[in-house]
Amino acid sequence: EIVLTQSPATLSLSPGERATLSCGASQSVSSRYLAWYQQKPGLAPRLLIYDTFSRATGIPDRFSGSGSGTDFTLTISRLEPEDFAVYYCQQYGSSPQTFGGGTKVEI
Amino acid sequence: QLQLQESGPGLVKPSETLSLTCTVSGGSISSSSYYWGWIRQPPGKGLEWIGSIYYSGTTYYNPSLKSRVTVSVDTSKNHFSLKLSSVTAADTAVYYCARQSGYYNPAHFDYWGQGTLVTVSS
Repeated sequence: EIVLTQSPATLSLSPGERATLSCGASQSVSSRYLAWYQQKPGLAPRLLIYDTFSRATGIPDRFSGSGSGTDFTLTISRLEPEDFAVYYCQQYGSSPQTFGGGTKVEI
Repeated sequence: QLQLQESGPGLVKPSETLSLTCTVSGGSISSSSYYWGWIRQPPGKGLEWIGSIYYSGTTYYNPSLKSRVTVSVDTSKNHFSLKLSSVTAADTAVYYCARQSGYYNPAHFDYWGQGTLVTVSS
């Protein structure tokens, strides 16, 4: 199975700053089938990005995804207070689909 | 607006079978291009995909759990279910149901239930 490694584990930033989150795959992710989710305490994850680049419905354009092969990135251009949360990547190009361990973005 | 709601016991004894149902409202579980999945999250830890199903009954399972998992669908009731047998304390987690987009295989999860905590304890 493809193992996804997210880095850093914790990212300490301030509102207004740029956040760059990485997701590394142990093998190439087929057809760029990679998604990003945001999870806040006590809530279900929320889909942000799918197919590496595409923003989900209602997601603001400060969130963007990029990458290919084994290296993928989620960028938050200017952090808003509501963006402080845990972020997970998921690959669904190979079975079994797998999730990364998460990156916590904290103030 | 599509909504998913998990239901089932919050406490299961070791060696018994965990059973959960996800009821879908605001849309049909028989829609093409969508799959229906289960994901779990142990307290304080990350996400683990358990299994998914298409309305026709085609199933996809995580190999690490496959020997203990059954996912089924009831289109007449617009719900799908999870059974996990021979549970241990390691199966204690919040269990989420979710809709998965996808044409040929399950893909990203775009709608999620609120999750239900299942504790395995005697």
